[in-house]
Amino acid sequence: GQQLNQSPQSMFIQEGEDVSMNCTSSSIFNTWLWYKQDPGEGPVLLIALYKAGELTSNGRLTAQFGITRKDSFLNISASIPSDVGIYFCAGHGNKLVFGAGTILRVKS
Amino acid sequence: EAQVTQNPRYLITVTGKKLTVTCSQNMNHEYMSWYRQDPGLGLRQIYYSMNVEVTDKGDVPEGYKVSRKEKRNFPLILESPSPNQTSLYFCASSHRWGKGGNQPQHFGDGTRLSIL
Repeated sequence: GQQLNQSPQSMFIQEGEDVSMNCTSSSIFNTWLWYKQDPGEGPVLLIALYKAGELTSNGRLTAQFGITRKDSFLNISASIPSDVGIYFCAGHGNKLVFGAGTILRVKS
Repeated sequence: EAQVTQNPRYLITVTGKKLTVTCSQNMNHEYMSWYRQDPGLGLRQIYYSMNVEVTDKGDVPEGYKVSRKEKRNFPLILESPSPNQTSLYFCASSHRWGKGGNQPQHFGDGTRLSIL
């Protein structure tokens, strides 16, 4: 079945640093989504990508839909303490599939 | 305020005692689904519903039931809970695109179930 490999599993970075995480798959997806989950809450949509090659920004966040339709990355620039949380990628092919998540911890 | 509401938020219960987790959305969404979240596994879909009276199995449906009698509600039923169903559960909903497929889902705040 369709599976997503999300990396890294966790990151511990200095405040102000840029962050990059990605998801890859052997399957083709029509949509890529990036969610963030804060402790005690459900995932919240950050960015949705609908077209291969699309590059979309949301404040300090930038995400791209890979040209092969099998991957996507999320970049966070100038990280701040409130960026901590779990980031999930999700790909929509014939169904929605989630990556295992990237745990982000920021040192202030 | 647009939201997906789950109840209860936390529950500790014993093996075999039937329980229901309710989910309600106020956005008139056609699509609703249930996920469980376990460490290192991300979110795995249990059941989903394209619309009223239409439900289907996700990736991990064993031990669960659902119903969709009204558009806004999508309860998750554990007829005979077992310890391996201890997990964090999320309900989600979205509109459907006109040509099929779903818009990005809105998630509830989660229900943490502990089955002893």
